[in-house]
Amino acid sequence: GAVVSQHPSRVICKSGTSVKIECRSLDFQATTMFWYRQFPKQSLMLMATSNEGSKATYEQGVEKDKFLINHASLTLSTLTVTSAHPEDSSFYICSARGTGAFANTEAFFGQGTRLTVV
Amino acid sequence: GESVGLHLPTLSVQEGDNSIINCAYSNSASDYFIWYKQESGKGPQFIIDIRSNMDKRQGQRVTVLLNKTVKHLSLQIAATQPGDSAVYFCAEKHGYNKLIFGAGTRLAVHP
Repeated sequence: GAVVSQHPSRVICKSGTSVKIECRSLDFQATTMFWYRQFPKQSLMLMATSNEGSKATYEQGVEKDKFLINHASLTLSTLTVTSAHPEDSSFYICSARGTGAFANTEAFFGQGTRLTVV
Repeated sequence: GESVGLHLPTLSVQEGDNSIINCAYSNSASDYFIWYKQESGKGPQFIIDIRSNMDKRQGQRVTVLLNKTVKHLSLQIAATQPGDSAVYFCAEKHGYNKLIFGAGTRLAVHP
């Protein structure tokens, strides 16, 4: 079946530095990718929707200059957390939607990235 | 605003019993519903989905029931196993809009 892969699975960074998280669709072309954030014992909250070749659409309250999203190819989207602070520590998850048999976005989530800012 | 919520934050069951996880949704226009399983430190895993033109759908050991009259969704797991222990989320969607997740229910399966 279709696989969405995230890298890294865990990352620890110092406060003030930037961290890049990659989301790849491994066997289909992802026209749209979604980035979620999940705090401990909470649900997933959509941060932004990324369409290949265009600017991401951010949800209300999500700072686009802090969470930079790039979707330059049909198999890769990246989320960069800039000037990270401890409050940005969270579990970041992506999902991908393609076309045809892979048009069902809801089935394909990455394994998540645990970000800890110290 | 619109939301999807769950009645029970934690559900404990005995191995071999059936589990029922409930979910209430508030957007009557939602036409697509999904159940996910999330194990600790992992991304959500699709379990089963249902569209609003159906009221029941069955998978392997799982059944989803949709009651549009009372805007209620449930996930039934037959013969619950220790490997079913996880957090379960319902999610709803209206057309091409974004997916909205519920709060989640932790299922604990005891031997």
